[in-house]
Amino acid sequence: GDSVTQMEGPVTLSEEAFLTINCTYTATGYPSLFWYVQYPGEGLQLLLKATKADDKGSNKGFEATYRKETTSFHLEKGSVQVSDSAVYFCALSDLGGGYQKVTFGTGTKLQVIP
Amino acid sequence: NAGVTQTPKFQVLKTGQSMTLQCAQDMNHNSMYWYRQDPGMGLRLIYYSASEGTTDKGEVPNGYNVSRLNKREFSLRLESAAPSQTSVYFCASTPLRGSNRNIQYFGAGTRLSVL
Repeated sequence: GDSVTQMEGPVTLSEEAFLTINCTYTATGYPSLFWYVQYPGEGLQLLLKATKADDKGSNKGFEATYRKETTSFHLEKGSVQVSDSAVYFCALSDLGGGYQKVTFGTGTKLQVIP
Repeated sequence: NAGVTQTPKFQVLKTGQSMTLQCAQDMNHNSMYWYRQDPGMGLRLIYYSASEGTTDKGEVPNGYNVSRLNKREFSLRLESAAPSQTSVYFCASTPLRGSNRNIQYFGAGTRLSVL
């Protein structure tokens, strides 16, 4: 079945540091890939997505590129801020049977210190 | 536009008690989902409803029941709560069509403790 593996946290960075959170996936079809972010006390919200190979998703300074050859979708940001402190989830989805089946990674907690 | 609304936000139960978690969305989405979130395990699907009038089991359905009351509402019931059901529960929805059809929209969650 489908699976998503992401690096364990927590990740602690100083403000303005470069961020990479690794994500690899296993899927039988051609899934869409996502990064969701969860701020403290809130639900998950979409950060960015990519629907096919070589697509780059971007939002709020975050980027991730859909790499089919390495089955990866690593999240990057050039300069993190304290407000980026949150838990980040990599996910993939397959549409089938009339509903969206989503597989989530276990989440990576990011803490940015001033 | 409220999006996905979950009630209650917090709940403490004693073992064996029952309760219903409520979820409503105002985005006219077809599909709705219930997940639980536990430390180190990400989100696991409990039940989903592909469309009004249908429900199906997800990855961890034991101990739960659901009702898709109408297109807007999807409730999760714990008939006899157990400490293993202590978790944060999230409801989500997705539209049927359009460029956002593969995006899940989440509520703020219900934090449940079973003593």
